[in-house]
Amino acid sequence: GAGVSQSPSNKVTEKGKDVELRCDPISGHTALYWYRQRLGQGLEFLIYFQGNSAPDKSGLPSDRFSAERTGESVSTLTIQRTQQEDSAVYLCASSLRLAGVEQYFGPGTRLTVT
Amino acid sequence: AQRVTQPEKLLSVFKGAPVELKCNYSYSGSPELFWYVQYSRQRLQLLLRHISRESIKGFTADLNKGETSFHLKKPFAQEEDSAMYYCALTSGGSNYKLTFGKGTLLTVNP
Repeated sequence: GAGVSQSPSNKVTEKGKDVELRCDPISGHTALYWYRQRLGQGLEFLIYFQGNSAPDKSGLPSDRFSAERTGESVSTLTIQRTQQEDSAVYLCASSLRLAGVEQYFGPGTRLTVT
Repeated sequence: AQRVTQPEKLLSVFKGAPVELKCNYSYSGSPELFWYVQYSRQRLQLLLRHISRESIKGFTADLNKGETSFHLKKPFAQEEDSAMYYCALTSGGSNYKLTFGKGTLLTVNP
């Protein structure tokens, strides 16, 4: 079946603009995660959704970052007033809540802030 | 706080040679450990997890709680093993968020 999809695949934006990144998880996956990977770094956890709710937002780096999820489906990550340090690959992953911990990753969105 | 350390950014071996990718972790509880792999132009995918105690594509990894390590090993490397490898842990519970190391780029030369 279809895997996790993300859009856009690439986004170039000017400093100070807002951006929205989209994630479509695997159908039926109730858990959804956002991670960020800056150049030369490992993946950093941003936020976790279980259904519609976000019990763990501890990784969001500032109040410019927010995320929401509609039902047990699409999630959007919004970055307001982008800064150059926001440039990174943003990865989304989903998993079945009750079937173990394997997370299935999307292809990522490469964000470049100029 | 939980942390994963992969001391080697780059590792280069010849085909047929043994390979070991190192991973050390710090966590006060009982973590679950994973190895994820990203082949060129592909998405990140699970390679193996310690609770399964299985061998995938000839790779094995043993959790050593005394040394807080979870090194990935393969006795005979193949060219198709060339990829980026990430060690990760989760504390489990109801969250399962992953803490990743910075990754090791493995190159297997012919």
